[in-house]
Amino acid sequence: DSGVTQTPKHLITATGQRVTLRCSPRSGDLSVYWYQQSLDQGLQFLIQYYNGEERAKGNILERFSAQQFPDLHSELNLSSLELGDSALYFCASSATSGGDTDTQYFGPGTRLTVL
Amino acid sequence: AQSVAQPEDQVNVAEGNPLTVKCTYSVSGNPYLFWYVQYPNRGLQFLLKYITGDNLVKGSYGFEAEFNKSQTSFHLKKPSALVSDSALYFCAVRDLLTYGNKLVFGAGTILRVKS
Repeated sequence: DSGVTQTPKHLITATGQRVTLRCSPRSGDLSVYWYQQSLDQGLQFLIQYYNGEERAKGNILERFSAQQFPDLHSELNLSSLELGDSALYFCASSATSGGDTDTQYFGPGTRLTVL
Repeated sequence: AQSVAQPEDQVNVAEGNPLTVKCTYSVSGNPYLFWYVQYPNRGLQFLLKYITGDNLVKGSYGFEAEFNKSQTSFHLKKPSALVSDSALYFCAVRDLLTYGNKLVFGAGTILRVKS
């Protein structure tokens, strides 16, 4: 168990809908990352937050957004969902300065199915 | 751009035999390299990393990896494979060209260990 939790485990929804994925990082970790794993694109970095602020952005669609709250949990919001958004969404966290800042620890993922 | 390549989609090995999962990298500067494993319906588990120092890195579950600068490789190895090692293995590199701490993953290699 990495210490990173994600809810829900599974999400089934329809095209055009909006969903929210939630992540709680390991205790004390200030950095949170979101990745998407799909059959055609593989594992792709979406976005990173550090202590509530956006730090890096990857190939994240404009229909997707994220935020990190004062208690450090993060949410990934996906809107106007399309069939191609069906994927496994992972959250990861890493330690702050003074610890192992290089290693990212991943949660179990949320499997999103868009019908 | 920073990238890693995993040239084999699948590796098959008999239980008790040594295993190697290959990874080559292409980076600007010194590479930060990682190996992760994904079991079915599970998140990614960190195995080991190379940042600097000894070229032979030891990690979890008896795995090790050898960093070879001249061949730009970071192959994952284990002296004696177990059936329980069967999983999907990802090599990754930290993208040092962009701000933040994003990981760039290879396509993954399925390891099948047969008894």
